[in-house]
Order: sequence, then C-alpha cells, then structure tokens
Amino acid sequence: DIQLTQSPSSLSASVGDKVTITCRANDGIGSYLAWYQQKPGKAPKLLIYSASTLHSGVPSRFSGSGSGTKFTLTISSLQPEDFATYYCQQLHNYPRTFGPGTKVDIK
Amino acid sequence: EVLLVESGGGLIHPGGSLRLSCIASGFIVSENYINWVRQAPGKGLEWVSVVVPGGRTHYSDSVKGRFSISRDTSKNTLSLQMNNLTAEDTALYFCVRYSFGSAFDIWGQGTLVAVSS
Repeated sequence: DIQLTQSPSSLSASVGDKVTITCRANDGIGSYLAWYQQKPGKAPKLLIYSASTLHSGVPSRFSGSGSGTKFTLTISSLQPEDFATYYCQQLHNYPRTFGPGTKVDIK
Repeated sequence: EVLLVESGGGLIHPGGSLRLSCIASGFIVSENYINWVRQAPGKGLEWVSVVVPGGRTHYSDSVKGRFSISRDTSKNTLSLQMNNLTAEDTALYFCVRYSFGSAFDIWGQGTLVAVSS
C-alpha cells in the first residue's frame, strides 16, 4: 500500500501569509495526487487534482506542484476562510490512501 | 444539481450489522466510481471501498470480508453492508464520487455510525 505523510502536522499563520504544506509518498505515484480542504463538521472539498490542476471554483491563491514522491500545496496569501485541515490523497492505486492531515489555524 | 445523500447510520452493538445507503442525484451511479470514505471522531480520512462502472469492487484491508458495497441501478443508489462491527468502525461515513481523470469531487454530508455496548 502507498503510505502518505504530511508536514507539518499543524501550523499557525496570519491572514496574508504564504503557506506551504508538503505531502510525501513512500513510493512513486506519478501525478496521481489530490488535495482537499475540510472545515469542522463539514465534508472535505476538492482543491487540486493531478498534483497541480485547480478544481473548478477554487481560488487561484491555491496551487499544487510535485510528482513522484514529493508534492506541495501552497496558499499564496492566506484568507480567513482558509483556516481548515488539508489532506492529500493518492489516486495511483488501491487502497486510495489519504495523508494524516495538516491543520492550519490562526496565529 | 449533482448531489449525494447518505442515510442508515446509528448506534449499534459490537458484532452487529448495519446497512448504509447513498442516493445520487444529477448523475448515474452505474457510470461512475462511487466510494465510501470514513472519518473517526477527531481523526483523519480513511478510504473504505469503491464500486467501479464495470461493477468491480475494492476494499481496504480493515473492512475486507466484513463490508460489502453494492449499487441499485433502478434506484440510482449505492449501499454499504457492514457486518461484524467493532468499536474501530465508529465514524462518519461519506459517500463520494470519483471523477475519472480528476479526484473525489462530490461528497455527501455523511452518516454517523457508532458502535458501542
């Protein structure tokens, strides 16, 4: 099975900050990686798929990069509505594993 | 509107069985990859199972042999039959569509399963 790790596990940031979250796979997954945002009590929302493609309706301050085993999610200028938990997920094979999550909260 | 709505959750004793349902609107279940993803209280996301357009199914090791995913094309619904439940199965269960070439793009609101004596 593909295992995903995320770093950091949590971070505190201010509105306007640039935030970068890293996701690493224990084996190559090409570009078969997605990022999701989840707020408390809500279902996750798709942000990015194929490592770097922005899902419809997602603000352009979100971007993704990487391939193989290392991926990053960047929020160029953090907004109040971006405080949430972010998960990566591999779609290379089954089981469709998720990373453990990165919680972004207010500094 | 494209929508998934889950139902069937509840409180169940260890060793018991429960059947979750997911009704799809705005798209055809049998033409899509439909998954179940769960989230234990305060924990991360865990993929559980999928049924693909051709009917093949896949399961996580943690539920293989106990859970069974199926679909009813006449009702455009998906089901998850869960047997021999344990406390570790306590979670919010989401029904989720995977769009081929994309990712898990449509999520239901979830249905809560609590396994406790």
